[in-house]
Amino acid sequence: SQTIHQWPATLVQPVGSPLSLECTVEGTSNPNLYWYRQAAGRGLQLLFYSIGIDQISSEVPQNLSASRPQDRQFILSSKKLLLSDSGFYLCAWSATDRGRSPLHFGNGTRLTVT
Amino acid sequence: AQKITQTQPGMFVQEKEAVTLDCTYDTSDQSYGLFWYKQPSSGEMIFLIYQGSYDEQNATEGRYSLNFQKARKSANLVISASQLGDSAMYFCAMREGGNLNDMRFGAGTRLTVKP
Repeated sequence: SQTIHQWPATLVQPVGSPLSLECTVEGTSNPNLYWYRQAAGRGLQLLFYSIGIDQISSEVPQNLSASRPQDRQFILSSKKLLLSDSGFYLCAWSATDRGRSPLHFGNGTRLTVT
Repeated sequence: AQKITQTQPGMFVQEKEAVTLDCTYDTSDQSYGLFWYKQPSSGEMIFLIYQGSYDEQNATEGRYSLNFQKARKSANLVISASQLGDSAMYFCAMREGGNLNDMRFGAGTRLTVKP
């Protein structure tokens, strides 16, 4: 069966520090991968998605970047965090090109920028 | 423009009763999919149920059913026989056929089940 791992679970970082959140998927190949952010008490906002290695699409201009160095690995990064980057970050995967396929989410990373 | 609207910020239901969580959507695509997710306080997003725009019957998954009214562009989630563990945030989401990689989420409804 497929599993998705996301870490760390919580992170407190000072303004201006770098960020690296990692997500890996097991049990499937060539998944579509996603990074979402959820502000407190709000819905989810799509940040990046990837349909293949080194194929990244950005949905929202921001202080963040994403990379997919391997088929089942998705990394969210920042060179210098802003206070506004605080939030709950969720990685997800779905089967490729299947409209009926739901997103399957990791457990999320709660990021606090101080 | 808002694609998914959930008008109920919070809902209460008595244990063992049924509850309906509202969701309306906006799209000009003929092909689209509607999803419901549950988010407990732990934060993980749990997929509950899916309804395709061409599906003729309302989707059901155990105690969850989706009341799909295509002409009204609504996709309400019905939870039957509520349990205390159903207390969580519930999100409605849509994926349009023209952009399979962009699943849009509503703002969510917080459901509280009372004993």
